[in-house]
Amino acid sequence: DVKVTQSSRYLVKRTGEKVFLECVQDMDHENMFWYRQDPGLGLRLIYFSYDVKMKEKGDIPEGYSVSREKKERFSLILESASTNQTSMYLCASSRPPGQGPEQYFGPGTRLTVT
Amino acid sequence: AQSVTQLDSHVSVSEGTPVLLRCNYSSSYSPSLFWYVQHPNKGLQLLLKYTSAATLVKGINGFEAEFKKSETSFHLTKPSAHMSDAAEYFCVVSELGGWTGNQFYFGTGTSLTVIP
Repeated sequence: DVKVTQSSRYLVKRTGEKVFLECVQDMDHENMFWYRQDPGLGLRLIYFSYDVKMKEKGDIPEGYSVSREKKERFSLILESASTNQTSMYLCASSRPPGQGPEQYFGPGTRLTVT
Repeated sequence: AQSVTQLDSHVSVSEGTPVLLRCNYSSSYSPSLFWYVQHPNKGLQLLLKYTSAATLVKGINGFEAEFKKSETSFHLTKPSAHMSDAAEYFCVVSELGGWTGNQFYFGTGTSLTVIP
């Protein structure tokens, strides 16, 4: 079974802090994704990566950056946390094209910025 | 452009009665379609997927969905609801992206309540 893990389930940070959210997958997937989930808005894509050191902006990249130094790890960085970044953050991974398009999700990190 | 519309934000059913969660999509190409379930404070779990094979797709926990191209629909059904089915359900359409993978487009979710 594919396993996607996220470093924290719950996190509380102060406005202006630098925040790191870590995601690790154990199935050698090329593609990894960061989403945020807010009530009534569904999931919105922040960034994705299709290879080590490669990244692409999603729909809402403002205020975020990412890092992918190793294939299994994809980090989301909030350079200066703000209250409007309070949300549930979900990481996902998927196989290369032709091997199944479905994404596999981690358990999520609920971030509160005060 | 790809998009997904989940027609009901909330559905309530009695335990033992059928479940119907409705989803319509728009896609420029032949889409892949998915249903995911999310229990409270958990990640998303894949229920079932359609990827251009049989139009009636069976998933886990007794759920199934039918791809109807003429109606651009992919409704999720289950003959008999169980208390453990209470959760948030997301319909997703996927297309091959300009990079090397598939990009997902999520509906806004349907919250299913099961009444004992």
